[in-house]
Amino acid sequence: GAVVSQHPSRVICKSGTSVKIECRSLDFQATTMFWYRQFPKQSLMLMATSNEGSKATYEQGVEKDKFLINHASLTLSTLTVTSAHPEDSSFYICSASPASLGEDTQYFGPGTRLTVL
Amino acid sequence: DAKTTQPNSMESNEEEPVHLPCNHSTISGTDYIHWYRQLPSQGPEYVIHGLTSNVNNRMASLAIAEDRKSSTLILHRATLRDAAVYYCILRDVWANNLFFGTGTRLTVIP
Repeated sequence: GAVVSQHPSRVICKSGTSVKIECRSLDFQATTMFWYRQFPKQSLMLMATSNEGSKATYEQGVEKDKFLINHASLTLSTLTVTSAHPEDSSFYICSASPASLGEDTQYFGPGTRLTVL
Repeated sequence: DAKTTQPNSMESNEEEPVHLPCNHSTISGTDYIHWYRQLPSQGPEYVIHGLTSNVNNRMASLAIAEDRKSSTLILHRATLRDAAVYYCILRDVWANNLFFGTGTRLTVIP
């Protein structure tokens, strides 16, 4: 089956610093990748949709200047949390859809747990 | 996006079948019914999806009501590894994003 990886799996940073999270599709090309955030005991919340070679589409209420998304290749998307604060502490999960037409499935990464001190 | 309603939690005994219900009374003709599950501290995992006909795969079966206003995910023999939150999601055929609801937390009792 298709595999999506994320790096790092865990990160702890000081308030005010920036953190970059990588999402890679290991065995398929993904024209579209998605970023989600999940707070404890809550469901996943879609943050943005990332299309290779174009600007990401952010969901309402998500600050695009704070959560920078780059999808530079068909196998890599990055999420940078800029000037992180304790309220940004969360579980960040990416997913990817294969480029093939008619593919309905999203494949999810294992998640990155961010703790901002 | 059309919404889904699922029970917050369910329990099942190990090795018994589990029927996880989902109501989606406002489903549109172009909405697919997707099921994903999330094990603790992991990303979600695709389970199954369908449009109108019942579907079977190695993980589960999906039974879709004739009027498509409800569906049921069937795990034929629950194992401890099936303990997870199960999400029923509607996705338009022309869209590629998923919006997760609260899901059903399945507990499997040994």
